[in-house]
Amino acid sequence: ETGVTQTPRHLVMGMTNKKSLKCEQHLGHNAMYWYKQSAKKPLELMFVYNFKEQTENNSVPSRFSPECPNSSHLFLHLHTLQPEDSALYLCASSQDEEGRYNEQFFGPGTRLTVL
Amino acid sequence: GIQVEQSPPDLILQEGANSTLRCNFSDSVNNLQWFHQNPWGQLINLFYIPSGTKQNGRLSATTVATERYSLLYISSSQTTDSGVYFCAVERNQGGKLIFGQGTELSVKP
Repeated sequence: ETGVTQTPRHLVMGMTNKKSLKCEQHLGHNAMYWYKQSAKKPLELMFVYNFKEQTENNSVPSRFSPECPNSSHLFLHLHTLQPEDSALYLCASSQDEEGRYNEQFFGPGTRLTVL
Repeated sequence: GIQVEQSPPDLILQEGANSTLRCNFSDSVNNLQWFHQNPWGQLINLFYIPSGTKQNGRLSATTVATERYSLLYISSSQTTDSGVYFCAVERNQGGKLIFGQGTELSVKP
């Protein structure tokens, strides 16, 4: 595997379900990101992790819970979502060098539908 | 916060035509990236260009940081160039990329 991978690619869930999105980067980077893209809208940053530590939470509701066990893996745990949370969820990674965040590379995304 | 505006919002081209996409931003930035989003949602990196000019095949980009804009040139367009082109900037905010609204390009055969 190369680059940034995401699983699953598609997910349909009910509002009472609990599911998790997984992201893995094979680029040796130390920073990872979750973005949300609603239909016909630009990407919005949700979370940033740097060396496994969360450095940014862009006012995301608590029904989205990120987890970063190491610099290569990032999860987004989902519970009691709403239909308006249906969107494309994209993961990205980059190399942070002494506070300078370099070029970000994106995974293929998970298309989530909440019924 | 910083504002990112892209123009035009939509563009229809005949195959073989050239085009210029523009990205204006409201404040100085550390990073600027251009992406192409294909119909399946994948964001493809085109350029990482906080300043200067770069070229990659039929595509080139120029960022004039002092005047707060960047341009993406597409020459001899092909149907596979269709999709949405995003400009995104980051300004000393821990890697937080701010995306423009995008330019939706359709290249007709």
